Amino acid sequence: EVQVVESGGGLVQPGGSLRLSCAASGFIFSSFSMNWVRQAPGMGLEWISFISSSSSTIYYADSVKGRFTTSRDSAQNSLYLQMNSLRAEDTAIYYCAPSTLGTVFTGYGMDVWGQGTTVTVSS
Amino acid sequence: SYELTQPPSVSVSPGQTASITCSGDKLGDKYSCWYQQKPGQSPVLVIYQDRRRPSGIPERFSGSNSGNTATLTISGTQAMDEADYYCQVWDSGTVVFGGGTKLTVL
Repeated sequence: EVQVVESGGGLVQPGGSLRLSCAASGFIFSSFSMNWVRQAPGMGLEWISFISSSSSTIYYADSVKGRFTTSRDSAQNSLYLQMNSLRAEDTAIYYCAPSTLGTVFTGYGMDVWGQGTTVTVSS
Repeated sequence: SYELTQPPSVSVSPGQTASITCSGDKLGDKYSCWYQQKPGQSPVLVIYQDRRRPSGIPERFSGSNSGNTATLTISGTQAMDEADYYCQVWDSGTVVFGGGTKLTVL
């Protein structure tokens, strides 16, 4: 079964750090690009990062650029999101979402979604 | 930055056709995708490359994209189709989502 499982969320104070993980299974992780997408409470979807299959290309949304870092480890079939200088507005469910049909920039979309992991930034 | 605009809500009667629009500058020059998200659940990709359906998505879901508007059409809408729907494109190194449309089946 193709799936991704996010973990690492929790409660953190403003200015703090958190590292999210995404464990992938059921597909050849090293062959596909990955994305991080978040959803604040009661709000819509917000894309925050893209990483290519080889990690050679990484993009970030302006809202997290300079604070968040995306990486991947094909040996562990895992994707990571290092989040620093966290703010209240970073409170959200964080999803990792691969594009196993093709690349997102050629219109294939993100076809696998986990249950997400919840990050709450509050004092 | 590129923006996608969706109507906040659309209502449809069971068995009728629902159309959800997504507007953006020269959107027809880009590939569009659509996601369905039911309350308390994760998003599901229902349309990619404007009109293609992933495996397992019912044929009643279809898509089109031309000019400045992409459209998700649900034919013979069922109660189970009640959900939030998001359009999405890729633009200049970013993924852009529309604000979402709440589809009510009543």
